[in-house]
Amino acid sequence: DQQVKQNSPSLSVQEGRISILNCDYTNSMFDYFLWYKKYPAEGPTFLISISSIKDKNEDGRFTVFLNKSAKHLSLHIVPSQPGDSAVYFCAASKGTASKLTFGTGTRLQVTL
Amino acid sequence: EAQVTQNPRYLITVTGKKLTVTCSQNMNHEYMSWYRQDPGLGLRQIYYSMNVEVTDKGDVPEGYKVSRKEKRNFPLILESPSPNQTSLYFCASSLYQGGGYEQYFGPGTRLTVT
Repeated sequence: DQQVKQNSPSLSVQEGRISILNCDYTNSMFDYFLWYKKYPAEGPTFLISISSIKDKNEDGRFTVFLNKSAKHLSLHIVPSQPGDSAVYFCAASKGTASKLTFGTGTRLQVTL
Repeated sequence: EAQVTQNPRYLITVTGKKLTVTCSQNMNHEYMSWYRQDPGLGLRQIYYSMNVEVTDKGDVPEGYKVSRKEKRNFPLILESPSPNQTSLYFCASSLYQGGGYEQYFGPGTRLTVT
């Protein structure tokens, strides 16, 4: 039972354009959401998070949007850069102190 | 430098030959966890530990054992590896469990069981 789903296994975007990565969840108890980025041969690294009391959180070129009614979150990267090419995992947690449940990942390729 | 280290990074072994993957963190984190990453399945938690001598099963614990005798170390033990345990394994640590605390991941161990 995949409680956190990333339905697009891959995404290709031109440099300078916007990248939008999507994530859906089924468990309404989740109220803390995170994005991790993973380069080949490295472990995932934390990128950005959002609590369910917010619907948007920004950090530089990265913005995460949360739509609780739709059980959907998205990561926007603007402008996309070649160094953003990586696998992106979304993750969810019931509160700040319960374990993370990860999605299946989306491979982003930013082309020149 | 704050980091999580794993050894070995790559391992090819045969069915039934016991192996241990080590994990160590230097951040004095309470919480440590093991994940496996498989195509189309994402990261799935195998075992986790809230503190020394406190461990519990994650989502896919079958065929694995762990121990937490010291705060910094959290080895993953495969007593009798099978081909379905061929995967990419990550160790992670954080101050405490949960989304409110950033997890730091090791570089991964790619295990092949023939």
